[in-house]
Amino acid sequence: GQNIDQPTEMTATEGAIVQINCTYQTSGFNGLFWYQQHAGEAPTFLSYNVLDGLEEKGRFSSFLSRSKGYSYLLLKELQMKDSASYLCAVRVVDYKLSFGAGTTVTVRA
Amino acid sequence: DGGITQSPKYLFRKEGQNVTLSCEQNLNHDAMYWYRQDPGQGLRLIYYSQIVNDFQKGDIAEGYSVSREKKESFPLTVTSAQKNPTAFYLCASKGSSGATKAQYFGPGTRLLVL
Repeated sequence: GQNIDQPTEMTATEGAIVQINCTYQTSGFNGLFWYQQHAGEAPTFLSYNVLDGLEEKGRFSSFLSRSKGYSYLLLKELQMKDSASYLCAVRVVDYKLSFGAGTTVTVRA
Repeated sequence: DGGITQSPKYLFRKEGQNVTLSCEQNLNHDAMYWYRQDPGQGLRLIYYSQIVNDFQKGDIAEGYSVSREKKESFPLTVTSAQKNPTAFYLCASKGSSGATKAQYFGPGTRLLVL
């Protein structure tokens, strides 16, 4: 089976930085995705890593270490609208994603 | 605007009833997926289709059925054999071009049992 672990909840203050970790043990690896999901809504694609290193996209950055089976999503300059669930997903084979349970981030004023 | 639509937003099922959830996309994507989301769990794959007239079971296909007669459409039927159908159902599609090939999701259907 596939094992993808991320913390259940995190809380941070507006303007701060939060790092969401994701560790994985999967039968295959063809890229790692991060999605944002607001309550009751669809997940929206945030970032993709397939090679080791950091990918930066505005206030959001994502890092991957394939040898360690580890990724993190970094959210900088937190805003209230960043309060959401963040899903880590591994593309095990070309057609299939395996998802972690998600990390709920609460941003406080 | 290109996108994925799902209907209805909320659906109520009575005991012993089959219900069908609609998923339509105009992104010209070949692959389409159905996931189920329960509180505290990751998205779980029900069925997927990589091309018209072909589909495969995912991890939790029991009690569900699908069809893929058109590229744009991938309806999911929740049958009476599914004993715990209450969940948030998400449809997704994926293109075959580009390096990322991310899956893009519809707005979801929340299914409740009466």
